[in-house]
Amino acid sequence: DVKVTQSSRYLVKRTGEKVFLECVQDMDHENMFWYRQDPGLGLRLIYFSYDVKMKEKGDIPEGYSVSREKKERFSLILESASTNQTSMYLCASTTGDYSPLHFGNGTRLTVT
Amino acid sequence: EDQVTQSPEALRLQEGESSSLNCSYTVSGLRGLFWYRQDPGKGPEFLFTLYSAGEEKEKERLKATLTKKESFLHITAPKPEDSATYLCAVQARGGATNKLIFGTGTLLAVQP
Repeated sequence: DVKVTQSSRYLVKRTGEKVFLECVQDMDHENMFWYRQDPGLGLRLIYFSYDVKMKEKGDIPEGYSVSREKKERFSLILESASTNQTSMYLCASTTGDYSPLHFGNGTRLTVT
Repeated sequence: EDQVTQSPEALRLQEGESSSLNCSYTVSGLRGLFWYRQDPGKGPEFLFTLYSAGEEKEKERLKATLTKKESFLHITAPKPEDSATYLCAVQARGGATNKLIFGTGTLLAVQP
């Protein structure tokens, strides 16, 4: 089975802090994604990557950046956390075709 | 603009009471429609992919169907363990590989 592991289940940070969310997948997938999930808004795509060192903006990239130095690892960075970035963050991966996404269990981030 | 709408937002059923969840979509050419199940505190878990109108997929008590405008997830004789949020997502032709547009989900509660 594909395993997508997110390093933290819960995270509490202060406004202005730099925050790193880490995601690792063990199936040699080319594509990796970061979504945030908010009540009433569903899952919204922040960034995705289809190869090492490659990245593409999703629908809501403002305030975020990403890093993919190795194929199995995709990091989401909040340069200066704000309270409106309090959310559930979900990482996903898939192969390079039209296969379904495999999700991690999420990181619930609270910014105070 | 590509859009996915799920209804109802929430559904409460008695054990054994069959029903259907709806996912209507507007997309400029459908590449695929995906159903996911999400349990509280976990990431979405893949259920089905449908690619063309008339296609049907089944798994245990769940059956997904697809028309040119909507998809239904039929739940036959549900059990309490079917309680979860069910998410629908579409992938549009011409879009970035594997980029999905999600609905906001239907929260299903099955009471014993």
